[in-house]
Amino acid sequence: GQQLNQSPQSMFIQEGEDVSMNCTSSSIFNTWLWYKQDPGEGPVLLIALYKAGELTSNGRLTAQFGITRKDSFLNISASIPSDVGIYFCAGQFLTRRALTFGSGTRLQVQP
Amino acid sequence: DGGITQSPKYLFRKEGQNVTLSCEQNLNHDAMYWYRQDPGQGLRLIYYSQIVNDFQKGDIAEGYSVSREKKESFPLTVTSAQKNPTAFYLCASSPDSGEQYFGPGTRLTVT
Repeated sequence: GQQLNQSPQSMFIQEGEDVSMNCTSSSIFNTWLWYKQDPGEGPVLLIALYKAGELTSNGRLTAQFGITRKDSFLNISASIPSDVGIYFCAGQFLTRRALTFGSGTRLQVQP
Repeated sequence: DGGITQSPKYLFRKEGQNVTLSCEQNLNHDAMYWYRQDPGQGLRLIYYSQIVNDFQKGDIAEGYSVSREKKESFPLTVTSAQKNPTAFYLCASSPDSGEQYFGPGTRLTVT
């Protein structure tokens, strides 16, 4: 199956720094989703994007749906230790169909 | 509380045995999904169901089977034909808007 290109693979930052990660695809999507997964747990939905160009925030998190519908980015501002985890992007062409997942960005935050 | 439950959290089986993983949701979602996650990897789709009594194969369906007799339940059977069954299994459901919500996962170990 198709995979999304997610980068970077991992990041090690200092507490208080801003973080940016992105996903690109060779195919268009109608929905972009961003998830966070802690070790041994299921992914938790952070932000859902439904329209090209849409910019949505959830607290310190901001995500955008690229205007070409082939990319999306996630920014985290003023990182804190509990931001540690793996962040996944996911794209969907049709609802009630499968998500295509990126390979994840592992974030570590130094207090 | 509304949500998705998976049981058990940890499951151990001997090679050659079939095993069934449970997934229940009380979110009134029509669509449900099963994913597999291997260490350091993203999620890969095994099966999905858009509605009761209907299901479709995902990217890695070989060696797995599902049923969808009730809206709330979507059990996954890992058969002895699955060559590498040890993995973290995640169930998800989604409303019509498309975003998927995940359960806590079941870690299956086959020896």
